[in-house]
Amino acid sequence: DAMVIQNPRYQVTQFGKPVTLSCSQTLNHNVMYWYQQKSSQAPKLLFHYYDKDFNNEADTPDNFQSRRPNTSFCFLDIRSPGLGDAAMYLCATSREVRISEKLFFGSGTQLSVL
Amino acid sequence: AQKITQTQPGMFVQEKEAVTLDCTYDTSDPSYGLFWYKQPSSGEMIFLIYQGSYDQQNATEGRYSLNFQKARKSANLVISASQLGDSAMYFCAMREKKSGNQFYFGTGTSLTVIP
Repeated sequence: DAMVIQNPRYQVTQFGKPVTLSCSQTLNHNVMYWYQQKSSQAPKLLFHYYDKDFNNEADTPDNFQSRRPNTSFCFLDIRSPGLGDAAMYLCATSREVRISEKLFFGSGTQLSVL
Repeated sequence: AQKITQTQPGMFVQEKEAVTLDCTYDTSDPSYGLFWYKQPSSGEMIFLIYQGSYDQQNATEGRYSLNFQKARKSANLVISASQLGDSAMYFCAMREKKSGNQFYFGTGTSLTVIP
């Protein structure tokens, strides 16, 4: 089945230790997104790629970076994780940028910062 | 101002009964889409139903229907014949034409189905 896959499901890192979360998709969608979701809150968009074009949200901290080496893969790098970065990180895709285009989500990576 | 408002943090419903989850939205864009997602405890966001701003009919997908009242800017989700597996967080979301890729999510409603 075509899908969005996130690895790992759970990630534990230490305060200040760089960590990378990965996402892959077999849907061949143009757009890939990274969302941060803290407990009992709505998902918050960090950034997205339309093809190779990177789009950062204005309030996304510089600590968060992303790479999309090809259509299928997208990575979220947290350069120096703080305790406040502990959250669920959701990767999502959509075919195009149209109002009718739904997001397809992965299962998420739950990040803990010790 | 909040783009999407979900005023029910938690809801309970008896198994096999219908339940309505409320959602109101705020936009001045005439072109927009409204979505509902389900998020079980496993974490994955599952798409349920979509309603376009120009759609004349209320959207339906199996046991899910969207009660779209454009003048009131509401897009309530109706789940008929609730099942135990419906217990989850439910998020209402909107995508505006002018905002491109931004999905605006509400804060969610936690639904618990009681046997």
